Amino acid sequence: EAGVAQSPRYKIIEKRQSVAFWCNPISGHATLYWYQQILGQGPKLLIQFQNNGVVDDSQLPKDRFSAERLKGVDSTLKIQPAKLEDSAVYLCASSLEAGETEAFFGQGTRLTVV
Amino acid sequence: QKEVEQDPGPLSVPEGAIVSLNCTYSNSAFQYFMWYRQYSRKGPELLMYTYSSGNKEDGRFTAQVDKSSKYISLFIRDSQPSDSATYLCARRDDKIIFGKGTRLHILP
Repeated sequence: EAGVAQSPRYKIIEKRQSVAFWCNPISGHATLYWYQQILGQGPKLLIQFQNNGVVDDSQLPKDRFSAERLKGVDSTLKIQPAKLEDSAVYLCASSLEAGETEAFFGQGTRLTVV
Repeated sequence: QKEVEQDPGPLSVPEGAIVSLNCTYSNSAFQYFMWYRQYSRKGPELLMYTYSSGNKEDGRFTAQVDKSSKYISLFIRDSQPSDSATYLCARRDDKIIFGKGTRLHILP
């Protein structure tokens, strides 16, 4: 079974530029999550999708971050404009459903904003 | 108050020792807990999960939940250098909320 795929693996941009990350979840997984993990901290949930609908985006800085999950499969997370404090690893995860099921994580995209 | 609190470490122990990793949680309604392991430059992977209170054992790993004190523990027996990683505790209901993670170093 293929895992969660993310790209790119690394990205360096200047502040005020825009950037986009892509995630392909495990086939058949209805729930998709985006997490932000700042160095030395645990992952922080940014947004959660159930199929192509948003379940929770309470921690997403909506003035600069946006995410979509068209057709309930792949997802993109965008930052525009980026700030220095956005430097982090962005992790995508998926699970069969929300609730008491295992979530599988991708390797993440390491973003450095200079 | 954060939902799940965890000492970030680092924690260094000699190979073969028993490791104890701990978290506290804030809401007594939480029932489902997970331990994830994260190697450097990798995504987290599920190690163990527990429901409600009590112990769950899987090989060298034991997860324990004490609901009266709102305490979650992970014990690693006969620790190996390959166990060196960051260990994340999490509570799980309709979303997954993580603690900060504890960095563990097993010294050969």
